[in-house]
Amino acid sequence: SQKIEQNSEALNIQEGKTATLTCNYTNYSPAYLQWYRQDPGRGPVFLLLIRENEKEKRKERLKVTFDTTLKQSLFHITASQPADSATYLCALDAYNFNKFYFGSGTKLNVKP
Amino acid sequence: DGGITQSPKYLFRKEGQNVTLSCEQNLNHDAMYWYRQDPGQGLRLIYYSQIVNDFQKGDIAEGYSVSREKKESFPLTVTSAQKNPTAFYLCASSTTGAKTEAFFGQGTRLTVV
Repeated sequence: SQKIEQNSEALNIQEGKTATLTCNYTNYSPAYLQWYRQDPGRGPVFLLLIRENEKEKRKERLKVTFDTTLKQSLFHITASQPADSATYLCALDAYNFNKFYFGSGTKLNVKP
Repeated sequence: DGGITQSPKYLFRKEGQNVTLSCEQNLNHDAMYWYRQDPGQGLRLIYYSQIVNDFQKGDIAEGYSVSREKKESFPLTVTSAQKNPTAFYLCASSTTGAKTEAFFGQGTRLTVV
């Protein structure tokens, strides 16, 4: 079965630095990969989607890369702010299935 | 405003009781999903539905049941057969087809007392 791995340890960084989160997957060939933000006690919120034929996607301070050879996606937040502190989840889908498989998420703490 | 609404936000259940979690969306989405989230774990798919009157089991369907009689509604029943029901339950919806994002409700925290 498919397996999605995100670093379970929290990532602690200083305000203004770039945060980089990793999502690795196995036994799977996703058509696209998504990143979501989840705040405590709330539902995840969609941030970015990247397709398998795209190497990089940007949205404001966010950047996602997708390496289908390494089976890995990197999620970057530049010029991080304390308000960016949250848990970030990656999710995978596959052609014609419309099922979303989520990783366990990585908690990001941005300190002022 | 369009969105997806879950109720109640907190729910307490006695051992041996069935409880039903509500999920309603006004986004005109065909697909709806139920996930369970436990501390330190990812979202695990319970059931999903891509069209009215049809639904499929996800990875952890045992002890749960759903119905999809209306496009807007996808209620989840946690039955007494679910051995460890205490968890955070999330409902989501999306369009069908490629490149779809999921829209989530605010979740229902179920506690067995």
